[in-house]
Amino acid sequence: QSVLTQPPSGSGTPGQRVTISCSGSSSNIGTNNLNWYQQLPGTAPKLLLYNNNQRPSGVPDRFSGSKSGTSASLAISGLQSEDEADYYCAAWDDSLNGPVFGGGTKLTVL
Amino acid sequence: EVQLVESGGGLVQPGGSLRLSCAASAFTFSLHSMNWVRQAPGKGLEWVAYISTSSNTIYYADSVKGRFTISRDNAKNSLYLQMNSLRADDTAVYYCARGPLSTVFYYYYMDVWGKGTTVTVSS
Repeated sequence: QSVLTQPPSGSGTPGQRVTISCSGSSSNIGTNNLNWYQQLPGTAPKLLLYNNNQRPSGVPDRFSGSKSGTSASLAISGLQSEDEADYYCAAWDDSLNGPVFGGGTKLTVL
Repeated sequence: EVQLVESGGGLVQPGGSLRLSCAASAFTFSLHSMNWVRQAPGKGLEWVAYISTSSNTIYYADSVKGRFTISRDNAKNSLYLQMNSLRADDTAVYYCARGPLSTVFYYYYMDVWGKGTTVTVSS
């Protein structure tokens, strides 16, 4: 049982806009910034978005994030086949004294 | 190129011990907090342990507290995870991951990850 809650799966067709939700509590998302990680099949996780909506160098602007209260979402516009991956949200948890992750959302590009 | 390379994984019997290492390169290791994160087969990511830049602050997930010890050697640009009393549910790929330059947890994220090392606990 993950501390943050994400839908286990999602899908979209090429060019479509998809969103992935993430919900938590006052000790994590409600207090601290939210980050998103992308894990392509068979590879290590990669930081996708940090501090709610900031993109590291090299991440396309098709990826965007938002946060409100104890929930957040990742949006991917202009979906591409290479976006097929597992996506994890994460935030520092002040009660647990460590980062907590969502269970991950497996995104399929149809 | 900024890089983290884990090593030390392998097959170990339940109750056994293993020491993982993570070698950092191409950045000032001593300025960044570090973490171990694991992923069991077919499962999601689970944070394991955190260590601050000077090793003054250390946190563990409840699932490993009392069994695992995180440490670092800034002179050797290396991070370690000593794992004792291993159990079958410790079987996972273990990643080391770099924290940001900021020491404020409000802004915490892990921006560089190694490729991982596999730990299998089985008799």
